[in-house]
Amino acid sequence: GAVVSQHPSRVICKSGTSVKIECRSLDFQATTMFWYRQFPKQSLMLMATSNEGSKATYEQGVEKDKFLINHASLTLSTLTVTSAHPEDSSFYICSALGTSGYEQYFGPGTRLTVT
Amino acid sequence: TQLLEQSPQFLSIQEGENLTVYCNSSSVFSSLQWYRQEPGEGPVLLVTVVTGGEVKKLKRLTFQFGDARKDSSLHITAAQPGDTGLYLCAGGYQKVTFGTGTKLQVIP
Repeated sequence: GAVVSQHPSRVICKSGTSVKIECRSLDFQATTMFWYRQFPKQSLMLMATSNEGSKATYEQGVEKDKFLINHASLTLSTLTVTSAHPEDSSFYICSALGTSGYEQYFGPGTRLTVT
Repeated sequence: TQLLEQSPQFLSIQEGENLTVYCNSSSVFSSLQWYRQEPGEGPVLLVTVVTGGEVKKLKRLTFQFGDARKDSSLHITAAQPGDTGLYLCAGGYQKVTFGTGTKLQVIP
């Protein structure tokens, strides 16, 4: 149980285009999902908290107009990187909060490369 | 802001050796989780500790939560190459704070 998927696993896009990443909880409902960014050899940096049916809560320094988050259902949250630039290239990981409120179940991540 | 410092940052050991990874904070956490992450994949939850002084064992891995709930340790006995990865502690309820990470390499 507690499986989270992400799609796509890898994406290459050109500067100025937008990219959408999907995060799905496959066998449980998640009212809360999180989006993280991870640079090489570093820990996870929380970007935003996604709550089903309401606006996402963004961490300080994260541009909400650039990283659009939509949590339209209890099993799906999407992150759209708008007008991507090379500095947006990174490993993006989502997680879904378990029913205990303590544990997060992570997706396999999406490697974004902006050329 | 709650910070979690992990030590050591990097660890390279021979197969069969024992090791301990530490996770420290000046803040009190309601719970701490330990995750292992392999390159190009998402973190996988290993354990959650909730009670101060709690000890949990997962095969060759032993996790301890400090009495004051400000720190935790992960001890691996007889490390194997399959233990190689990035170990992350994380603290908090719902929105968690991740530690700085410990990259472990176990050499056959």
